[in-house]
Parts: sequence; C-alpha cells; structure tokens
Amino acid sequence: AQTVTQSQPEMSVQEAETVTLSCTYDTSESDYYLFWYKQPPSRQMILVIRQEAYKQQNATENRFSVNFQKAAKSFSLKISDSQLGDAAMYFCACPRIGNTPLVFGKGTRLSVIA
Amino acid sequence: EAGVAQSPRYKIIEKRQSVAFWCNPISGHATLYWYQQILGQGPKLLIQFQNNGVVDDSQLPKDRFSAERLKGVDSTLKIQPAKLEDSAVYLCASSRLGQGLEQYFGPGTRLTVT
Repeated sequence: AQTVTQSQPEMSVQEAETVTLSCTYDTSESDYYLFWYKQPPSRQMILVIRQEAYKQQNATENRFSVNFQKAAKSFSLKISDSQLGDAAMYFCACPRIGNTPLVFGKGTRLSVIA
Repeated sequence: EAGVAQSPRYKIIEKRQSVAFWCNPISGHATLYWYQQILGQGPKLLIQFQNNGVVDDSQLPKDRFSAERLKGVDSTLKIQPAKLEDSAVYLCASSRLGQGLEQYFGPGTRLTVT
C-alpha cells in the first residue's frame, strides 16, 4: 500500500529564515508526481509545488523548492525567506493508484515567528 | 475562474441521523474527489469520479456512505446513518483530466456527530 510519512508534526522558523520539511513515501508506480500542499487556518488546501519523478532537476517555485531523492523515496520541501503568511499545515502527497488519487501524509504544522 | 464550492460549511447532527454534502467543481474539470480529513490527519480519499463514473471508491464505507455525480458536474456525498467517528472535515476537490495535475480544493464541510 502507498504510504507517506511526515516525521515532523510541528516545526517553527524565524521570519526571513529557511526551513526544511521532510517527507518519505512509498509507491509502486514507476513514473509519478509528488506534491506539497499547504492548508492555512481557513482550511482551503492549495498546491505549493509539484515534482515529476522522471525529472532529475528539483522543482522550484519562487521561495519554495524541493530536494527529491528518488532512490531514497524522499521529497523534502525547503522554504526560503520565510514569511508570516507561510504559517500553515503542510501536506506531502504521492499517488495511490493510476497516478491520480493522492495519499497524504499526516502533515507538518509550520509556525513562523516574527 | 470560480473555485470549488461546497455546502454546508458546518453541520452538527446526532448519531444515527443522515446528512448530505454538496460540491460544485470548477467548470470543465472532469475529475472530482471526496476526501475525509479527521482532526490531526491528512485527507483520505473516499471516492473519485471521472465525469459521472466512479474511478475509485475502494475506501468508501459503502454500508453507510454513498456518493453520486449526476450529469458529470455537481456531486453529493451522503452518510446514513452517521456514527461518532464520522466527525471530520469533508473536502471536495476537482482537477482536469490527466496525470499529475493540480487538484483544486473546496473550503470543506465540518461535520460534528454527537
């Protein structure tokens, strides 16, 4: 069964500093996508960043980047120059079957300290 | 474009009662998902529709949960009869047809079963 493990239930970071959220996963798919979603206190989930597994280059979206280690099945999220608006729950997700339904980890609650 | 709409936002019922949730996906999105998010956990897929057909309902407790997507647009998720452990946020998401595409989430319905 596909599993996603986020080993850090809570993290905190000083404003303007960098923080890394970790995620490991297991999937039987040979080609797949990985996702980080953000869920602010209002609870509407939004996509932060997406990685295609067959691409060796790590995905980057402005202040957000990933460290994707396919052999280790590791997919960490780095947030640079943290802002107060980054405070939220962050969920790592990998595909279940057929590369479309997602399996989510339990999430990491990120606090940003001013 | 308008986002994914869900109603109601909050619902409180007693155990053994029935409840229904409604979702209107983003226009043009062929795929619709219902997730259950229990407090402190990541979302868990209940059912996935592609147009008006069911793609994956393997994690749907079919003895009490049912869902439909008539005409391939709006969807309704029903619970009958509800149990205490059904207390959760029910999230609806939609995406275009294809692999690795972003899922757009609605604000969710928070269900409390007393």
